[in-house]
Amino acid sequence: RKEVEQDPGPFNVPEGATVAFNCTYSNSASQSFFWYRQDCRKEPKLLMSVYSSGNEDGRFTAQLNRASQYISLLIRDSKLSDSATYLCAVNRGNQGGKLIFGQGTELSVKP
Amino acid sequence: GEEVAQTPKHLVRGEGQKAKLYCAPIKGHSYVFWYQQVLKNEFKFLISFQNENVFDETGMPKERFSAKCLPNSPCSLEIQATKLEDSAVYFCASSQWTSGSYEQYFGPGTRLTVT
Repeated sequence: RKEVEQDPGPFNVPEGATVAFNCTYSNSASQSFFWYRQDCRKEPKLLMSVYSSGNEDGRFTAQLNRASQYISLLIRDSKLSDSATYLCAVNRGNQGGKLIFGQGTELSVKP
Repeated sequence: GEEVAQTPKHLVRGEGQKAKLYCAPIKGHSYVFWYQQVLKNEFKFLISFQNENVFDETGMPKERFSAKCLPNSPCSLEIQATKLEDSAVYFCASSQWTSGSYEQYFGPGTRLTVT
């Protein structure tokens, strides 16, 4: 079993839809959690860090459930430009710790 | 600078040749990471540095891979005697403590093709 697992994709949704990604992690020592976006052949770009209290940035909302060991990302009113691969990542919180990535979920938003 | 810089963008090497990749972290970031992404598959962690010191090298294939971060120079990742399976995009990332976590920012990557 992989340490970080994501929903298998791809997700194909119409513009304006709400889409949710889930990600589970197996190491209870994990401390920090992130969502990245990766466009084809480009570098991952940090979307948001995920905090216990949950956080929101415009159309994007991230949640963390430590008891069940999962994180989620909700995208509301999806745009064509949201089409990308979404990666969750965790680290064990020690300073400078490596990121463990999920395999990514591809999102395609159609007109 | 404000972004992680990586050079070259593309590198083509024949099997058995040496490859050297460079990374300049964001100014002020004390941690540097190297990851390997093969095709669209998962990211594999290779090595990390705290300033010029190796912090974690658990992901490095030690027999052919080496890396350095020296003061006042870009960090480097070197592959001696490249193999076909080394073909991948190599990403460098840097981080610092920000609002309760160490957020990592990635460079554009170096695409290595071994023929």
